[in-house]
Amino acid sequence: GESVGLHLPTLSVQEGDNSIINCAYSNSASDYFIWYKQESGKGPQFIIDIRSNMDKRQGQRVTVLLNKTVKHLSLQIAATQPGDSAVYFCAENSNAGNMLTFGGGTRLMVKP
Amino acid sequence: KAGVTQTPRYLIKTRGQQVTLSCSPISGHRSVSWYQQTPGQGLQFLFEYFSETQRNKGNFPGRFSGRQFSNSRSEMNVSTLELGDSALYLCASTPLGLDNSPLHFGNGTRLTVT
Repeated sequence: GESVGLHLPTLSVQEGDNSIINCAYSNSASDYFIWYKQESGKGPQFIIDIRSNMDKRQGQRVTVLLNKTVKHLSLQIAATQPGDSAVYFCAENSNAGNMLTFGGGTRLMVKP
Repeated sequence: KAGVTQTPRYLIKTRGQQVTLSCSPISGHRSVSWYQQTPGQGLQFLFEYFSETQRNKGNFPGRFSGRQFSNSRSEMNVSTLELGDSALYLCASTPLGLDNSPLHFGNGTRLTVT
């Protein structure tokens, strides 16, 4: 498959544990944030999003936390499974259009 | 509902040639965006089209261009290819804009320039 990043930070967790992936965003004017999951050979897959009027949002097994004071975003994955192994990207939107600015990505490896 | 479809899946071109990539958005989606993904630069925004008009453009040279058709399908073109244009080119669509819905990506076209 394609390489999506040769020197990505890597988070290695045991199957069943919780994972926390962090992201520092750059623009204090950003008002919309998205987490994507990218598996080898595929495009980014939408996981969860959050708007700046919220500080927490939950999905199925995932939670996104937003701290606007320190411009920090995190993705929590509960009971991590081998199928969660992928590269995770945060992205921010700060203009009226649809342009997303992506972070560099974090590789999550789940050990069985 | 079918996802975003990109063709071709893989392309090999020679420096100096030009290439056209195609994207069919999710049915009903009117906004199409293009991104370039490389190991060194990550995911970078190229441009966005809505109702056949370019609405936003990223910081790429004029060799990169695109268009959108009345059925919302989009193409991007790269002329005078350079080795550094080797990348995964991703297309994404959304119904109207990020105010309403996230971007949904296709699986990309892998372009190799030799």
